[in-house]
Amino acid sequence: AQSVSQHNHHVILSEAASLELGCNYSYGGTVNLFWYVQYPGQHLQLLLKYFSGDPLVKGIKGFEAEFIKSKFSFNLRKPSVQWSDTAEYFCAVWTRGGADGLTFGKGTHLIIQP
Amino acid sequence: GAGVSQSPSNKVTEKGKDVELRCDPISGHTALYWYRQSLGQGLEFLIYFQGNSAPDKSGLPSDRFSAERTGGSVSTLTIQRTQQEDSAVYLCASSLTGDRVSGNTIYFGEGSWLTVV
Repeated sequence: AQSVSQHNHHVILSEAASLELGCNYSYGGTVNLFWYVQYPGQHLQLLLKYFSGDPLVKGIKGFEAEFIKSKFSFNLRKPSVQWSDTAEYFCAVWTRGGADGLTFGKGTHLIIQP
Repeated sequence: GAGVSQSPSNKVTEKGKDVELRCDPISGHTALYWYRQSLGQGLEFLIYFQGNSAPDKSGLPSDRFSAERTGGSVSTLTIQRTQQEDSAVYLCASSLTGDRVSGNTIYFGEGSWLTVV
């Protein structure tokens, strides 16, 4: 079965710092990749997604992610974080039809200090 | 509706009571998922419905948990004889189909916060 690893469970940064959250998956076939964000007290929202084409995808609020197939990675980046980026971030991989093909990472809790 | 709708948004219940959580997926979405999110934990898959096919119940933690989906739309997650460890946020999600195809995205509801006291 596929798995998704988010290496950092907790990340603390100061405002204006650059951000990179790691996501690696274990599956050799075609994948759809997602990053979801959950702001405090809110529901999971789609941040960005990759299906095909340009491996560098841009999402909302200045976030981007790069799919590197050879490294089985889909890291999330933002050049300059804001206090409002404090949230839980989840990486997800969809390998085939059905719920068993959809796997979420355990999440990274990002805290931005003003 | 515009998004996945869940009710109730908050539920406090006494240990041993039964609870029902409702999910109304995005109109036209044939795939529906239930997840559980406990404090500090990731997303735990519970059950998946795809069209008229038999649901994938492989994630249900015990026989106290059940779910149904009527008419291919609204779903109800039922927890019988609730225990304190059932306290969590129960998330419903839907997608156009259950297939990993281009453009298919999972959309989440706001969740039902369940507290068992």
